[in-house]
Amino acid sequence: EAQVTQNPRYLITVTGKKLTVTCSQNMNHEYMSWYRQDPGLGLRQIYYSMNVEVTDKGDVPEGYKVSRKEKRNFPLILESPSPNQTSLYFCASSTSGSGYNEQFFGPGTRLTVL
Amino acid sequence: AQRVTQPEKLLSVFKGAPVELKCNYSYSGSPELFWYVQYSRQRLQLLLRHISRESIKGFTADLNKGETSFHLKKPFAQEEDSAMYYCALRGATNKLIFGTGTLLAVQP
Repeated sequence: EAQVTQNPRYLITVTGKKLTVTCSQNMNHEYMSWYRQDPGLGLRQIYYSMNVEVTDKGDVPEGYKVSRKEKRNFPLILESPSPNQTSLYFCASSTSGSGYNEQFFGPGTRLTVL
Repeated sequence: AQRVTQPEKLLSVFKGAPVELKCNYSYSGSPELFWYVQYSRQRLQLLLRHISRESIKGFTADLNKGETSFHLKKPFAQEEDSAMYYCALRGATNKLIFGTGTLLAVQP
C-alpha cells in the first residue's frame, strides 16, 4: 500500500532531550516536507526537501533539523526540544515540489515537551 | 509575501444547506491553489486543485484572480462533509502555504 509513515505517533519528552521523528514513504517521491499543526495557526511548513541531499527551510525552521540521505526517508530532529515545540507534526511527500502534484500526508506525530 | 487567509474558524450549517468556505490569497504571480480536507481521526488529504476545475464529493472551487479568492462551495451539505478544510497556495519557492483552516460542522 502506497503510504507515508511516521514514528512515533505519540511522544512525551522533557526539555533538552534530543529526539528524532522518522518519516518514510514508499512511493519513490522526490519531494518531502514537514509541517506542524497548532490550534488557530493551521499548518506551517518547517523544512522541505526537493530530492536527496537537497533541503531547505520552510516558514518555521528554528529549533529543527532535517536530513535526506535516502529518497524514502526524511527524519525530523529536535536537538534540544522546548515546550513551544509541543505540537502535532505531519510529514508529507509528493512526486515533485512543483506543479499541481498532490501531497500525501502521514498520520501525524503528537509531541509533548514538558 | 505569500499568504492564505481563511477568515472563518468555524462554519456551522444544517444538512441540505449550501456551503461556502472562504479562502483569500496574497501572491503576485500565478498561484497554484488547493483545498485539503481532514476528517476526524484521518490524515490530511487533497480535496481538489484549481487547475483541475473538477467537482469532488460535490465540492467546487473557482479561482477569482480579481478578488484573489478561491472559495470552496457545495450546493447541499451532507453530514459526512463535517471536517477541517484547509486552503493552500504554492508559489515560486515550492513552499506550500496553508491557511489556518475552517471547521465545517453539518448539523442533522
